[in-house]
Formats: sequence, C-alpha cells, structure tokens
Amino acid sequence: SQQGEEDPQALSIQEGENATMNCSYKTSINNLQWYRQNSGRGLVHLILIRSNEREKHSGRLRVTLDTSKKSSSLLITASRAADTASYFCATVSLIIQGAQKLVFGQGTRLTINP
Amino acid sequence: NAGVTQTPKFQVLKTGQSMTLQCAQDMNHNSMYWYRQDPGMGLRLIYYSASEGTTDKGEVPNGYNVSRLNKREFSLRLESAAPSQTSVYFCASSSEILAKNIQYFGAGTRLSVL
Repeated sequence: SQQGEEDPQALSIQEGENATMNCSYKTSINNLQWYRQNSGRGLVHLILIRSNEREKHSGRLRVTLDTSKKSSSLLITASRAADTASYFCATVSLIIQGAQKLVFGQGTRLTINP
Repeated sequence: NAGVTQTPKFQVLKTGQSMTLQCAQDMNHNSMYWYRQDPGMGLRLIYYSASEGTTDKGEVPNGYNVSRLNKREFSLRLESAAPSQTSVYFCASSSEILAKNIQYFGAGTRLSVL
C-alpha cells in the first residue's frame, strides 16, 4: 500500500500563479522527497527535506514539513508552462546499507494554462 | 553522461512468456532499484540492491526476480508474464555520498502483457 496521499489529485492554474500541493503520510520518516514526472518520462528529483527540518527552498520551490501532522506541502511560485507535469511526494522510513526505500504517493497532476 | 539507461523502451508479451528488463547506470552508484507504475498511481518498489552482490524484496516482488550483475547493471526478470504485470517499469540508482540519497531514474520500459 502507498504511504502518501496527495491532494489535490489534479490542479489547473494560470501561468504566473502559485501552485500548492499537499502530501500526507502514515509512519515516521527519515526524510521526504518531491519528484516531478513529465508525461511519458522518468522521475526527476526536485527537493529533499529531512525529518528535523521544517522548510526548504530551491529556486521557485518551497517545501514545508510538519512531522506532528505527518504532512508536507510543495509550493511552486510564479508558475510557467514548463511546470506542467505530475508531482510526487515520496517518504523514506528505512535506509539499509545506504539504499533508501522510497514510498510514493499517487501524485498531483499540475497543468499550467498560458 | 547517460545516467540510467533502460532497455527495451517498449515490449509486448503474451501471457506465460518470459523476458528480462535491462538497466545500467554510469554514475558509480552503489544502490539500484526497480519500480513499477500503474496508471494514475505512484511508483511501487519491486526489488532493490543496496550494493553489488546483494538484492532485497520491496513492496511488490511476487512474479519477479532480479540480478545485480555488477556495480553498473541491475536486471529484472519476469519468468512467466501475467496481464497484471502490464505496467511501466522504472529503474533508479542512488549514492549515499554526501548523504544525498537522491534517486536518479531511467526513462522507463512500457510493458504490455496480453
């Protein structure tokens, strides 16, 4: 079963607006990561936030983590048409000999309208 | 620098046929992973290999076998394909250097089992 629940499942906004996606999870984690997937392509890592961090920024991306609520959010500011993609949160609870077992949510499909 | 390369990109099998999906990475990563992605879903871990010579089951290992041939290559085998194994398969690799543990994904193999 999947660890994360993402909300909303689909989001459509105008170019230039901000997009916010939320992720909830069930068990304690080591870190939480966000990935982007363009249609028909593999996943690309966006940002990682550790369990002892509350907020991280990377360019137009801002991620928050609330471990008491077991939830995270991804904010994309000043959206562009190229941001159209599916976005997945993934949690890591176990790291075994350096390998991390990612557990993915079902994703949010983001559409940026020109 | 090719990153993670998967072959083939597409495959159609009949029920009961066998095949091997190939994956190779050129980033000198220790850990490699196989996931499957079903429509509208996030990725689910099938098997992973923390280092050369070791493999372990993930969330959905039934019906699959893997081989970590060397540090670069990690193959996934379907011994007797079933329609339920129709999916998109992704290989990924990661390194724990600098505690990054970011996973890098291949472009995927689209498999249909008739």
